[in-house]
Amino acid sequence: EPEVTQTPSHQVTQMGQEVILRCVPISNHLYFYWYRQILGQKVEFLVSFYNNEISEKSEIFDDQFSVERPDGSNFTLKIRSTKLEDSAMYFCASSRGPQETQYFGPGTRLLVL
Amino acid sequence: AQSVTQPDIHITVSEGASLELRCNYSYGATPYLFWYVQSPGQGLQLLLKYFSGDTLVQGIKGFEAEFKRSQSSFNLRKPSVHWSDAAEYFCAVGALGNTGKLIFGQGTTLQVKP
Repeated sequence: EPEVTQTPSHQVTQMGQEVILRCVPISNHLYFYWYRQILGQKVEFLVSFYNNEISEKSEIFDDQFSVERPDGSNFTLKIRSTKLEDSAMYFCASSRGPQETQYFGPGTRLLVL
Repeated sequence: AQSVTQPDIHITVSEGASLELRCNYSYGATPYLFWYVQSPGQGLQLLLKYFSGDTLVQGIKGFEAEFKRSQSSFNLRKPSVHWSDAAEYFCAVGALGNTGKLIFGQGTTLQVKP
């Protein structure tokens, strides 16, 4: 069964550093998403991406964040200058359509020191 | 504003007992609703979803949920809980618009007593 994969599983970085979180969505999916979950809190939407552009972003997704689909398989989330409050689990998801089931990856746990 | 409320942060049930996890939503149109489960250290796995039609939906692992428009609820049920059901359960609603954004509830942690 196809699945969404994410790398790395864990990342530790210093405040102010750039990080890139990588995702490989399911191959025939067209919609891609990033969510995050701060420890002990609910899952929050960050951004949705379709047809090589952002279709919606949350207020969390400020200028420090960017997404890219650099090739036909990867979908990346970049945080340009990490802050302590960016520490969270980041989930990638993909779906065939905007109202279709979203399939989530296992997450990347980001720790900013 | 759209929102999802899961009133129970933590629930403990005995193995073999029935389970009901509550979910209430606030939404301006016919919602599409999901229940996801998250085991420790794992991603989110879809249990079931409601888009339209029959208001009682069946999911994986013996779970079901009932959409009640009059109560703005989408409660998750299981007749007999197994120890392996211990996990965190999230209710989510698909947001208005055509972008796929999901709005999640706070989650309910289920503990199963032997």
